[in-house]
Amino acid sequence: EADIYQTPRYLVIGTGKKITLECSQTMGHDKMYWYQQDPGMELHLIHYSYGVNSTEKGDLSSESTVSRIRTEHFPLTLESARPSHTSQYLCASSMTGSQPQHFGDGTRLSIL
Amino acid sequence: QQPVQSPQAVILREGEDAVINCSSSKALYSVHWYRQKHGEAPVFLMILLKGGEQKGHDKISASFNEKKQQSSLYLTASQLSYSGTYFCGTEMYHSGGGADGLTFGKGTHLIIQP
Repeated sequence: EADIYQTPRYLVIGTGKKITLECSQTMGHDKMYWYQQDPGMELHLIHYSYGVNSTEKGDLSSESTVSRIRTEHFPLTLESARPSHTSQYLCASSMTGSQPQHFGDGTRLSIL
Repeated sequence: QQPVQSPQAVILREGEDAVINCSSSKALYSVHWYRQKHGEAPVFLMILLKGGEQKGHDKISASFNEKKQQSSLYLTASQLSYSGTYFCGTEMYHSGGGADGLTFGKGTHLIIQP
C-alpha cells in the first residue's frame, strides 16, 4: 500500500558520475524529507521541503542537492559521486504540522 | 541536539514487557516513535505532543514527560513481530514558532525470542 515511491531501489555506480535519486508521493503531502542511514545506524536528516519551491538543509551536511518543482516529486542529486556517499537514502513525506512521516523503501547506493 | 535512547539493545522472551526511553536536553515540541525491521523502511507507531500525554496502540503505549523532556515506549506482552529497531524522533521549538524536521536517536535494537 506504499504511497511513496523511490527509484532505483539499488544503485552501484563508479566514482565521478552524476546521480539522481527519485522520490514521488501520491498523498498530496506538503512536507517531504531526505534521510541518510548507514546499516544498523540512525537516520540523519539531510534535506527537507515545506512545499513547492521550498528546500532546506537538514542536520547532517551533505554534498547532495534537492529540488521541489512539483508537490509530489522531490529528487535528490549528487553531481559527482564518491565512495563516501555510499549509504541508504530514505525519502519521507508528511502533512503540515507535527504529523506522521511516511517512508519510502529507500535507495541503497554504492559508489565504487 | 540528538536525543539519547536507552537501552541500546534488549533481548526478551515472547510475552515479556519492555520499556525504551528517549530523553533530550532541549525543550521538545513533540516525540515520534518508529519501528524499523531489517531491510525495511521505518514504520510510524505514534506521536506525543507537549502536555504529558500518553497514547496507546494495541499493546504498545507511550508517555511524554514534558518536565523531564523524556518519552518512554512501553511494549506489553511482547510478540515475535515486535522485533526490530525502535527509533524516537524529536522535534524542537524554533525561534519562528512551530517545529522543523525530526532528529532521530541512535535506536534500540529489540529481539524477541520464542
